[in-house]
Amino acid sequence: GAGVSQSPRYKVAKRGQDVALRCDPISGHVSLFWYQQALGQGPEFLTYFQNEAQLDKSGLPSDRFFAERPEGSVSTLKIQRTQQEDSAVYLCASRPRTRNTGELFFGEGSRLTVL
Amino acid sequence: GESVGLHLPTLSVQEGDNSIINCAYSNSASDYFIWYKQESGKGPQFIIDIRSNMDKRQGQRVTVLLNKTVKHLSLQIAATQPGDSAVYFCAENSGGSNYKLTFGKGTLLTVNP
Repeated sequence: GAGVSQSPRYKVAKRGQDVALRCDPISGHVSLFWYQQALGQGPEFLTYFQNEAQLDKSGLPSDRFFAERPEGSVSTLKIQRTQQEDSAVYLCASRPRTRNTGELFFGEGSRLTVL
Repeated sequence: GESVGLHLPTLSVQEGDNSIINCAYSNSASDYFIWYKQESGKGPQFIIDIRSNMDKRQGQRVTVLLNKTVKHLSLQIAATQPGDSAVYFCAENSGGSNYKLTFGKGTLLTVNP
């Protein structure tokens, strides 16, 4: 399809394991965002890329969280030494250069459960 | 209203009725607001947006009202349909031209046939 694709859709990790979540944005979209959504809450901003440049990472909860977008397309969110409070849905969204609005195109998310 | 923990504000309406979902925002300097719809197991989907120099904007079956004096935003859905059942989030732009959105906690809309 032509939408934002995220994988895996579901991930169960034992506490202390490292996980990597992948996002394939819509082709040609310059801006890419990661959000974290806890159960029953609204999405919370984690980080933002414009092309390969990470312009804002102020929402990353700790230094265990790391995101990259080396070639300006696919992005990976990595969480090291996962903890139970990391359990959430991780949403990726993209936006084209020409769209001067907040209309983000979201993927379906990766649901992470840390046991 | 505000949600506490896992308890989302909820709104239950009959099919065909009009729905009004309310949202209070926090930053008086926000210049742009947006409504998203999120169905179970899916990512948020754009509905409508409004800039702070407007107080009303209409789309197809939806209207957004902005009251900057009391920092209040509302989404009106006309002739609500079962397919409108979802969680609705308002969001404000706190990132200037980068559109770093700050989302509210959401309202669960249930449409009864």
